[in-house]
Amino acid sequence: KNEVEQSPQNLTAQEGEFITINCSYSVGISALHWLQQHPGGGIVSLFMLSSGKKKHGRLIATINIQEKHSSLHITASHPRDSAVYICAVRPLTQGGSEKLVFGKGTKLTVNP
Amino acid sequence: SQTIHQWPATLVQPVGSPLSLECTVEGTSNPNLYWYRQAAGRGLQLLFYSVGIGQISSEVPQNLSASRPQDRQFILSSKKLLLSDSGFYLCAWTRGRQETQYFGPGTRLLVL
Repeated sequence: KNEVEQSPQNLTAQEGEFITINCSYSVGISALHWLQQHPGGGIVSLFMLSSGKKKHGRLIATINIQEKHSSLHITASHPRDSAVYICAVRPLTQGGSEKLVFGKGTKLTVNP
Repeated sequence: SQTIHQWPATLVQPVGSPLSLECTVEGTSNPNLYWYRQAAGRGLQLLFYSVGIGQISSEVPQNLSASRPQDRQFILSSKKLLLSDSGFYLCAWTRGRQETQYFGPGTRLLVL
Protein backbone atom coordinates (compact mmCIF):
# COMPACT_ATOMS: atom_id res chain seq x y z
CA LYS A 1 0.00 0.00 0.00
CA ASN A 2 1.34 3.42 -0.99
CA GLU A 3 2.07 5.73 1.93
CA VAL A 4 0.16 8.50 0.14
CA GLU A 5 -3.19 7.77 -1.49
CA GLN A 6 -5.09 10.25 -3.60
CA SER A 7 -8.69 10.15 -4.73
CA PRO A 8 -10.11 10.27 -7.22
CA GLN A 9 -7.50 9.19 -9.77
CA ASN A 10 -9.36 10.98 -12.54
CA LEU A 11 -11.91 13.76 -12.29
CA THR A 12 -13.92 15.46 -15.01
CA ALA A 13 -15.91 18.59 -14.24
CA GLN A 14 -17.82 21.31 -15.99
CA GLU A 15 -16.56 24.86 -15.89
CA GLY A 16 -17.74 26.60 -12.74
CA GLU A 17 -18.03 23.49 -10.60
CA PHE A 18 -16.52 23.16 -7.12
CA ILE A 19 -13.73 20.59 -7.12
CA THR A 20 -12.39 18.52 -4.22
CA ILE A 21 -9.32 16.30 -4.39
CA ASN A 22 -8.43 14.15 -1.40
CA CYS A 23 -5.14 12.92 0.00
CA SER A 24 -4.68 10.40 2.79
CA TYR A 25 -1.38 9.31 4.25
CA SER A 26 -0.31 6.66 6.69
CA VAL A 27 2.77 8.09 8.43
CA GLY A 28 3.47 10.97 10.76
CA ILE A 29 4.48 14.02 8.79
CA SER A 30 6.08 17.40 9.30
CA ALA A 31 4.50 18.96 6.20
CA LEU A 32 2.24 18.26 3.25
CA HIS A 33 2.59 19.73 -0.23
CA TRP A 34 0.10 20.17 -3.05
CA LEU A 35 1.66 20.39 -6.50
CA GLN A 36 0.22 21.05 -9.94
CA GLN A 37 1.67 19.33 -13.00
CA HIS A 38 0.70 20.73 -16.39
CA PRO A 39 0.38 18.57 -19.53
CA GLY A 40 3.91 19.54 -20.63
CA GLY A 41 5.28 18.10 -17.39
CA GLY A 42 6.22 21.27 -15.53
CA ILE A 43 5.42 21.22 -11.82
CA VAL A 44 4.37 24.17 -9.70
CA SER A 45 4.17 24.12 -5.94
CA LEU A 46 0.70 25.29 -4.82
CA PHE A 47 0.78 24.91 -1.06
CA MET A 48 2.92 23.67 1.77
CA LEU A 49 1.02 23.22 5.01
CA SER A 50 1.40 21.53 8.35
CA SER A 51 -1.90 22.50 9.98
CA GLY A 52 -5.20 24.22 9.33
CA LYS A 53 -6.03 25.81 6.03
CA LYS A 54 -4.41 27.93 3.33
CA LYS A 55 -6.05 29.89 0.52
CA HIS A 56 -4.62 31.30 -2.67
CA GLY A 57 -7.06 32.75 -5.16
CA ARG A 58 -9.60 30.06 -6.03
CA LEU A 59 -7.55 27.32 -4.39
CA ILE A 60 -7.98 26.19 -0.80
CA ALA A 61 -5.97 23.48 0.95
CA THR A 62 -6.90 21.97 4.30
CA ILE A 63 -5.20 19.42 6.48
CA ASN A 64 -6.32 17.35 9.46
CA ILE A 65 -3.20 16.00 11.14
CA GLN A 66 -5.12 13.70 13.51
CA GLU A 67 -7.01 12.07 10.67
CA LYS A 68 -3.97 12.09 8.34
CA HIS A 69 -5.99 13.67 5.57
CA SER A 70 -5.79 16.71 3.35
CA SER A 71 -8.09 18.17 0.73
CA LEU A 72 -7.49 20.54 -2.16
CA HIS A 73 -10.52 22.55 -3.25
CA ILE A 74 -10.94 24.58 -6.41
CA THR A 75 -13.82 27.03 -6.51
CA ALA A 76 -15.38 28.19 -9.79
CA SER A 77 -13.26 25.76 -11.81
CA HIS A 78 -11.97 26.79 -15.21
CA PRO A 79 -10.54 24.81 -18.15
CA ARG A 80 -7.10 26.25 -17.36
CA ASP A 81 -7.26 24.34 -14.05
CA SER A 82 -6.95 21.11 -16.03
CA ALA A 83 -3.80 19.43 -14.79
CA VAL A 84 -2.55 16.62 -12.57
CA TYR A 85 -2.64 17.53 -8.88
CA ILE A 86 -0.10 15.79 -6.71
CA CYS A 87 -0.05 15.41 -2.95
CA ALA A 88 3.32 14.87 -1.24
CA VAL A 89 4.22 14.45 2.42
CA ARG A 90 7.42 14.88 4.35
CA PRO A 91 7.61 11.99 6.85
CA LEU A 92 8.70 12.72 10.39
CA THR A 93 12.16 11.31 10.99
CA GLN A 94 14.72 11.86 13.68
CA GLY A 95 16.83 14.87 12.78
CA GLY A 96 14.55 15.87 9.93
CA SER A 97 14.53 14.63 6.38
CA GLU A 98 14.59 16.05 2.90
CA LYS A 99 12.54 13.19 1.53
CA LEU A 100 9.07 13.80 0.10
CA VAL A 101 6.75 10.86 -0.53
CA PHE A 102 4.41 11.49 -3.44
CA GLY A 103 0.94 10.33 -4.33
CA LYS A 104 0.29 9.20 -7.88
CA GLY A 105 -1.72 12.28 -8.68
CA THR A 106 -5.28 13.18 -9.63
CA LYS A 107 -5.88 14.08 -13.24
CA LEU A 108 -8.42 16.90 -13.45
CA THR A 109 -10.16 17.85 -16.68
CA VAL A 110 -12.43 20.88 -16.66
CA ASN A 111 -14.64 21.15 -19.73
CA PRO A 112 -15.96 24.50 -20.97
CA SER B 1 14.15 36.39 -9.39
CA GLN B 2 15.22 32.78 -9.25
CA THR B 3 15.06 30.42 -12.21
CA ILE B 4 15.94 26.78 -12.67
CA HIS B 5 17.10 25.27 -15.95
CA GLN B 6 17.36 21.71 -17.13
CA TRP B 7 18.77 20.29 -20.31
CA PRO B 8 18.26 18.61 -22.52
CA ALA B 9 14.47 18.75 -22.62
CA THR B 10 14.20 15.39 -24.38
CA LEU B 11 16.71 12.59 -24.83
CA VAL B 12 16.60 9.23 -26.59
CA GLN B 13 19.49 6.95 -25.72
CA PRO B 14 20.37 3.30 -26.43
CA VAL B 15 20.70 0.79 -23.62
CA GLY B 16 24.25 0.72 -22.29
CA SER B 17 25.08 4.29 -23.28
CA PRO B 18 26.16 6.94 -20.74
CA LEU B 19 23.95 9.73 -19.46
CA SER B 20 24.49 13.26 -18.24
CA LEU B 21 21.60 15.55 -17.31
CA GLU B 22 22.32 19.02 -16.09
CA CYS B 23 20.43 21.34 -13.77
CA THR B 24 21.38 24.90 -12.92
CA VAL B 25 19.77 27.46 -10.65
CA GLU B 26 20.07 31.22 -11.07
CA GLY B 27 19.32 34.04 -8.70
CA THR B 28 20.06 32.34 -5.41
CA SER B 29 23.05 30.99 -3.54
CA ASN B 30 23.61 27.79 -1.57
CA PRO B 31 20.31 26.20 -2.60
CA ASN B 32 19.32 22.68 -1.61
CA LEU B 33 19.08 20.70 -4.86
CA TYR B 34 17.06 17.59 -5.70
CA TRP B 35 16.74 15.05 -8.52
CA TYR B 36 13.39 13.28 -8.95
CA ARG B 37 12.20 10.67 -11.42
CA GLN B 38 8.63 10.18 -12.57
CA ALA B 39 8.17 6.81 -14.27
CA ALA B 40 5.09 6.10 -16.37
CA GLY B 41 2.09 5.40 -14.14
CA ARG B 42 4.04 6.07 -10.97
CA GLY B 43 4.45 8.97 -8.59
CA LEU B 44 7.52 11.11 -8.29
CA GLN B 45 10.46 9.49 -6.53
CA LEU B 46 13.37 11.32 -4.92
CA LEU B 47 16.68 10.05 -6.29
CA PHE B 48 19.30 12.39 -4.82
CA TYR B 49 19.56 15.59 -2.85
CA SER B 50 22.41 17.93 -2.05
CA VAL B 51 22.79 20.57 0.64
CA GLY B 52 26.15 21.86 -0.62
CA ILE B 53 28.99 21.48 -3.09
CA GLY B 54 30.23 17.90 -3.17
CA GLN B 55 27.55 16.75 -0.71
CA ILE B 56 25.23 14.15 -2.21
CA SER B 57 22.66 11.96 -0.48
CA SER B 58 21.15 9.02 -2.31
CA GLU B 59 17.62 7.94 -1.48
CA VAL B 60 17.37 4.74 -3.51
CA PRO B 61 19.95 2.25 -4.77
CA GLN B 62 20.14 2.47 -8.53
CA ASN B 63 22.07 2.73 -11.71
CA LEU B 64 22.44 6.50 -11.42
CA SER B 65 24.79 8.90 -9.65
CA ALA B 66 24.73 12.61 -8.94
CA SER B 67 27.36 15.30 -8.54
CA ARG B 68 27.40 18.94 -7.50
CA PRO B 69 30.59 20.47 -8.87
CA GLN B 70 29.43 24.06 -8.31
CA ASP B 71 27.03 25.75 -5.90
CA ARG B 72 24.19 26.06 -8.39
CA GLN B 73 24.88 23.08 -10.64
CA PHE B 74 23.54 19.58 -10.14
CA ILE B 75 24.32 16.74 -12.54
CA LEU B 76 22.67 13.35 -12.89
CA SER B 77 24.76 10.66 -14.55
CA SER B 78 24.91 7.04 -15.52
CA LYS B 79 27.73 4.98 -16.99
CA LYS B 80 25.39 2.47 -18.65
CA LEU B 81 21.69 3.16 -19.10
CA LEU B 82 19.06 0.48 -18.53
CA LEU B 83 15.61 0.30 -20.09
CA SER B 84 14.17 0.93 -16.63
CA ASP B 85 15.92 4.31 -16.49
CA SER B 86 13.34 5.73 -18.90
CA GLY B 87 11.20 8.40 -17.34
CA PHE B 88 10.73 12.08 -16.66
CA TYR B 89 13.55 13.58 -14.60
CA LEU B 90 12.91 16.69 -12.59
CA CYS B 91 15.36 18.90 -10.75
CA ALA B 92 14.17 21.07 -7.89
CA TRP B 93 15.61 23.53 -5.41
CA THR B 94 14.71 24.97 -2.01
CA ARG B 95 16.10 27.89 -0.05
CA GLY B 96 16.58 25.80 3.02
CA ARG B 97 15.67 22.55 4.56
CA GLN B 98 12.05 21.44 4.45
CA GLU B 99 10.81 24.44 2.50
CA THR B 100 8.76 24.95 -0.65
CA GLN B 101 10.30 23.19 -3.65
CA TYR B 102 10.68 24.90 -7.03
CA PHE B 103 10.83 22.52 -9.96
CA GLY B 104 12.64 22.74 -13.26
CA PRO B 105 10.96 22.00 -16.61
CA GLY B 106 12.15 18.39 -16.63
CA THR B 107 13.94 16.07 -19.05
CA ARG B 108 12.12 13.23 -20.79
CA LEU B 109 14.49 10.28 -21.18
CA LEU B 110 13.66 7.31 -23.37
CA VAL B 111 16.05 4.38 -23.28
CA LEU B 112 15.68 2.00 -26.23
